[in-house]
Amino acid sequence: NAGVTQTPKFRVLKTGQSMTLLCAQDMNHEYMYWYRQDPGMGLRLIHYSVGEGTTAKGEVPDGYNVSRLKKQNFLLGLESAAPSQTSVYFCASRYGALGQSWQFFGPGTRLTVL
Amino acid sequence: DQVTQSPEALRLQEGESSSLNCSYTVSGLRGLFWYRQDPGKGPEFLFTLYSAGEEKEKERLKATLTKKESFLHITAPKPEDSATYLCAVQALGDSSYKLIFGSGTRLLVRP
Repeated sequence: NAGVTQTPKFRVLKTGQSMTLLCAQDMNHEYMYWYRQDPGMGLRLIHYSVGEGTTAKGEVPDGYNVSRLKKQNFLLGLESAAPSQTSVYFCASRYGALGQSWQFFGPGTRLTVL
Repeated sequence: DQVTQSPEALRLQEGESSSLNCSYTVSGLRGLFWYRQDPGKGPEFLFTLYSAGEEKEKERLKATLTKKESFLHITAPKPEDSATYLCAVQALGDSSYKLIFGSGTRLLVRP
């Protein structure tokens, strides 16, 4: 099993450009999450999904959109990138049972917006 | 809901035991999680604790839980234990799908 994979690993954008980050998991997990990690601020939840076709806002959703068309994939989109979105983005997934499972994380995508 | 980790950074000599602290405030705790994160990588799951008094062990690491905080005890650490250790809580109720993370403790173990 590959676990949780993220594409791409690195990306540099100019202000105003758009891009999509792809997260894929092969563990048949119901729940998927997108976080951003900034120095001194820990992991902050952007959006999450509790199942195929569902999405919900997290702590810092502004400027991002997501889609979960297939159970194994969770896409994070930036429609018009801003320098404040420079960060490391992590995807995670979890089996559905509440309280008796933990989140598995991907390797991260390092995004720089100039 | 809030999670605070201390210290922010910790330097130890190989073999020098110590503890990392995670204090939390949530209306109700469903679970507390410890993760390890190496530079340039995603967090890796270590432990889950569910109720006060519970303890979990893995090699040189031992996690404990009280009603207000958790400790990650590191016994006789080795340089390969150097990493950032993250604590997260899962609350009861509507927010139970999410984890609230602390900002982590960066541990450096010198040979």
